[in-house]
Amino acid sequence: AQTVTQSQPEMSVQEAETVTLSCTYDTSESNYYLFWYKQPPSRQMILVIRQEAYKQQNATENRFSVNFQKAAKSFSLKISDSQLGDTAMYFCASITGSGGTSYGKLTFGQGTILTVHP
Amino acid sequence: GAGVSQTPSNKVTEKGKYVELRCDPISGHTALYWYRQSLGQGPEFLIYFQGTGAADDSGLPNDRFFAVRPEGSVSTLKIQRTERGDSAVYLCASSLEAGGKYEQYFGPGTRLTVT
Repeated sequence: AQTVTQSQPEMSVQEAETVTLSCTYDTSESNYYLFWYKQPPSRQMILVIRQEAYKQQNATENRFSVNFQKAAKSFSLKISDSQLGDTAMYFCASITGSGGTSYGKLTFGQGTILTVHP
Repeated sequence: GAGVSQTPSNKVTEKGKYVELRCDPISGHTALYWYRQSLGQGPEFLIYFQGTGAADDSGLPNDRFFAVRPEGSVSTLKIQRTERGDSAVYLCASSLEAGGKYEQYFGPGTRLTVT
């Protein structure tokens, strides 16, 4: 079974500043993927960034980057140059890459509410 | 192109009633997923389909919950004898195929309220 833990229920940041959201996970699988999803008040879940476990290089998508520490089972999200539109609930999630009992289903953390202040 | 759509967007029902929630996936996506999200929590997996068959229904909480995808496209989540504890947002997602390699695209969800 996979578990995902987000220990920060709420975070806030000033516009244009940088913020880091934390996530730890546990899995017995060797092949898995990790994700950060954003859910604004509209409820639509949007993929922010994805990391493949077998890739050493940290994923980057414009202002969003991750710090993937495989041995520590840590997967944090860094948002640079924060914008008002980044205000949302952020979820860390995991899925196995192939086969296994978790294949096909995302396991989500509890979420972190991020508020960007002007 | 069109994304994942879910109907209705909101559903209020009385305890004990039967409800159906519909999901229209992105055209061509073979995998379809249902999740349930309680207020302030992360989504929890219910069931996923690969084509017409349920590949994993381990997240269905009990036998009052059932889902179908008869033609490998639209899916319906059915809840019998609803209870107040069933109140939540039900999210549907689809992906080209199952597995982490393929991004899951989510619909806007159906908010179910059982009174």
